[in-house]
Amino acid sequence: QQQVKQSPQSLIVQKGGISIINCAYENTAFDYFPWYQQFPGKGPALLIAIRPDVSEKKEGRFTISFNKSAKQFSLHIMDSQPGDSATYFCAALGDSNYQLIWGAGTKLIIKP
Amino acid sequence: DTAVSQTPKYLVTQMGNDKSIKCEQNLGHDTMYWYKQDSKKFLKIMFSYNNKELIINETVPNRFSPKSPDKAHLNLHINSLELGDSAVYFCASSRGPGGTQYFGPGTRLLVL
Repeated sequence: QQQVKQSPQSLIVQKGGISIINCAYENTAFDYFPWYQQFPGKGPALLIAIRPDVSEKKEGRFTISFNKSAKQFSLHIMDSQPGDSATYFCAALGDSNYQLIWGAGTKLIIKP
Repeated sequence: DTAVSQTPKYLVTQMGNDKSIKCEQNLGHDTMYWYKQDSKKFLKIMFSYNNKELIINETVPNRFSPKSPDKAHLNLHINSLELGDSAVYFCASSRGPGGTQYFGPGTRLLVL
């Protein structure tokens, strides 16, 4: 119940295309869903986050879509650029309210 | 200027040795974390301290011992290093438990 399942494990997208990464969870007590971006040789950094009271949040080219009934959320990167090549992690705040439960990560490569 | 810093950046050592990794944050945060990231990029929480009190203590070998001398510092001591300990270790901090986590640059540990 504490797991967050992330797919795909890796993704290759052409420059200008849409990148989509999906996550699913079981625990309905989760109430905060962040996405972190990690470039090679760096630590992860918060990219965008959503709470379950909204179905979508957009920041620039990055959008989180949230489906509460399906217990799924996804990251969409519009007009993907080579600089977006990184590993992306979804996460959910556990019902203990202080432990983030992390997805396994998606390695995204944007081809020029 | 650096928000979360770790030393050393690289650590190469022999099996059986004891080593320490240091972490400092200048963000004024109350909560600090240690993560292990393996070669498949999976992020595993190891420990978390809030106001110098241990709040997350995941199942890790007792060869790993965290120590928080004050809210700005969280060190990780590893006894009797094993080959499987080779990984990147990240320190992170947040304003409070469950808050946005800010990661350090990582310490790349290689056990030979």
